[in-house]
Amino acid sequence: EAGVTQFPSHSVIEKGQTVTLRCDPISGHDNLYWYRRVMGKEIKFLLHFVKESKQDESGMPNNRFLAERTGGTYSTLKVQPAELEDSGVYFCASSQPGQTGITEAFFGQGTRLTVV
Amino acid sequence: LAKTTQPISMDSYEGQEVNITCSHNNIATNDYITWYQQFPSQGPRFIIQGYKTKVTNEVASLFIPADRKSSTLSLPRVSLSDTAVYYCLVGGGDTGRRALTFGSGTRLQVQP
Repeated sequence: EAGVTQFPSHSVIEKGQTVTLRCDPISGHDNLYWYRRVMGKEIKFLLHFVKESKQDESGMPNNRFLAERTGGTYSTLKVQPAELEDSGVYFCASSQPGQTGITEAFFGQGTRLTVV
Repeated sequence: LAKTTQPISMDSYEGQEVNITCSHNNIATNDYITWYQQFPSQGPRFIIQGYKTKVTNEVASLFIPADRKSSTLSLPRVSLSDTAVYYCLVGGGDTGRRALTFGSGTRLQVQP
């Protein structure tokens, strides 16, 4: 079974440009999450989709970040315009609701974004 | 979500048992305790989850005392490949509809 895949694995862009990150969750997983780790900091939650709906977007830093999940399948995270402080590793995770507890979340390898 | 406290780093040698303890004094009644492992340049990977007493799988054991205010991840006979960051997370009880809250984690270094 294919895991969570993210594309690209690395991206280097100039300040002010736009970048779009993509995440393909495990097939059939309704929950899709975006996290990011800024250099030297902890992994922070950004956004949670349940199918195509945004369940929780309290972690989105500002309106330069736009996440979509068309048809409840893959998701994109667009940063426009990118700023230097957006540099970091962006992780996507997916899970399927379980009966109890924290359902096991499967993470992708991450996209390393560098804004110069 | 309950805050967790765990050692910043630990060192061990191959073949030893490693125990990483996490404190979560404010754990709620319906919270579960979950541990993730992260290797460099990879996303976190689920290791084990428990609610009380002891849970064991093919990778690790999780010990949870009766008051549930702490938990201990036990890795038997570690190898060099177990060098990673280990995160203790507390929460849940709502079938995965809540995001995970990561702390600083414990950086485990296994020496030959």
